[in-house]
Amino acid sequence: GAGVSQSPSNKVTEKGKDVELRCDPISGHTALYWYRQSLGQGLEFLIYFQGNSAPDKSGLPSDRFSAERTGGSVSTLTIQRTQQEDSAVYLCASSTRLTAGIYGYTFGSGTRLTVV
Amino acid sequence: AQKVTQAQTEISVVEKEDVTLDCVYETRDTTYYLFWYKQPPSGELVFLIRRNSFDEQNEISGRYSWNFQKSTSSFNFTITASQVVDSAVYFCALATGTASKLTFGTGTRLQVTL
Repeated sequence: GAGVSQSPSNKVTEKGKDVELRCDPISGHTALYWYRQSLGQGLEFLIYFQGNSAPDKSGLPSDRFSAERTGGSVSTLTIQRTQQEDSAVYLCASSTRLTAGIYGYTFGSGTRLTVV
Repeated sequence: AQKVTQAQTEISVVEKEDVTLDCVYETRDTTYYLFWYKQPPSGELVFLIRRNSFDEQNEISGRYSWNFQKSTSSFNFTITASQVVDSAVYFCALATGTASKLTFGTGTRLQVTL
């Protein structure tokens, strides 16, 4: 597609439920990143994919968080047993290996997750 | 480890004023890239500029200009004759040579009023 697409744009869930957030990167972008932005905070790195593998998942805050990427394209970030502190905007970005250092990433509009 | 510091949490200016957003970075890598992103109220991050560590030449793009100084590890962003549409959160970010991820500062919220 023309840009990075994320769905849903908003998600309200009850504490303890599992949620799945989806990211559809720009076609041909081999690198995909997940970031989290809590209210009034900066962007916190979660995980990085190159193709389908995740060479850096150092930012995942706990084992309740997992992510996968299939076909070198769509990625899903799953949060199990959600807690209120998981409430944030989850941003996805993609780049080609060549452009990450040149143009940075292209970001999606994010998924605003609210855990009640 | 990499670190980006944006000491200004929030800045308010009146339209037509000039404003400078500060960014200080830390890295041990000799090859690195610095970025500025704009996040308007809509939430999407918009790429503004990238500089690499070998090019200290300052850059001007319309009302925007960037001052990169390796001696002070700073990459400051100036908006000349600010406009209400400039109101947003601005993030400075750093990537090292392998550029596998960006490290962001905490952002500066700019409010431009009439």
